[in-house]
Amino acid sequence: DQQVKQNSPSLSVQEGRISILNCDYTNSMFDYFLWYKKYPAEGPTFLISISSIKDKNEDGRFTVFLNKSAKHLSLHIVPSQPGDSAVYFCAASGLGGGSNYKLTFGKGTLLTVNP
Amino acid sequence: NAGVTQTPKFQVLKTGQSMTLQCAQDMNHNSMYWYRQDPGMGLRLIYYSASEGTTDKGEVPNGYNVSRLNKREFSLRLESAAPSQTSVYFCASSENTDTQYFGPGTRLTVL
Repeated sequence: DQQVKQNSPSLSVQEGRISILNCDYTNSMFDYFLWYKKYPAEGPTFLISISSIKDKNEDGRFTVFLNKSAKHLSLHIVPSQPGDSAVYFCAASGLGGGSNYKLTFGKGTLLTVNP
Repeated sequence: NAGVTQTPKFQVLKTGQSMTLQCAQDMNHNSMYWYRQDPGMGLRLIYYSASEGTTDKGEVPNGYNVSRLNKREFSLRLESAAPSQTSVYFCASSENTDTQYFGPGTRLTVL
């Protein structure tokens, strides 16, 4: 029973274009969402997050959109750069405010940005 | 400020051998976590520790034990390794937020 789904295992885009990575979730108790980026042989690094009280959060070239009614979020990277090539994980949390924060991860999407 | 560190980076075990994966963080975080990453499976939580002195099972705890040695250190032990435990193991920590910070990982192979 996958609560966080990234249905595209891979995505390829041209440098300078927009990359859109999608994520769906099934648990309506999730109220905080994060995107992590992972290079080979390294640990995941935090990229951007969004609370369920918002529908958009922007940080430089990265924007995350949240559609609560559809239980869907997306990560937009504009413009895409070759250095963005990595695996992107979507994660969700439903414990905001508690003393421990467990994340549920999707399976990841491999983004390749071609020069 | 090293963040989250893990040792060893690589390990090869034979079936039935035991080992302990070490994790330490220098960010004064209360919560620490152990994950495994398998191809096509994403990151799955093995155990976590909400604070010093407490540990709880995650999604895939069978075959593992943990010890929260102090606020800085959280170790993962495989008592009798099995080939199904071949994976990349990540430790993470967080402080009263949902954002977790990960170590570089330990690549474990069980023959």
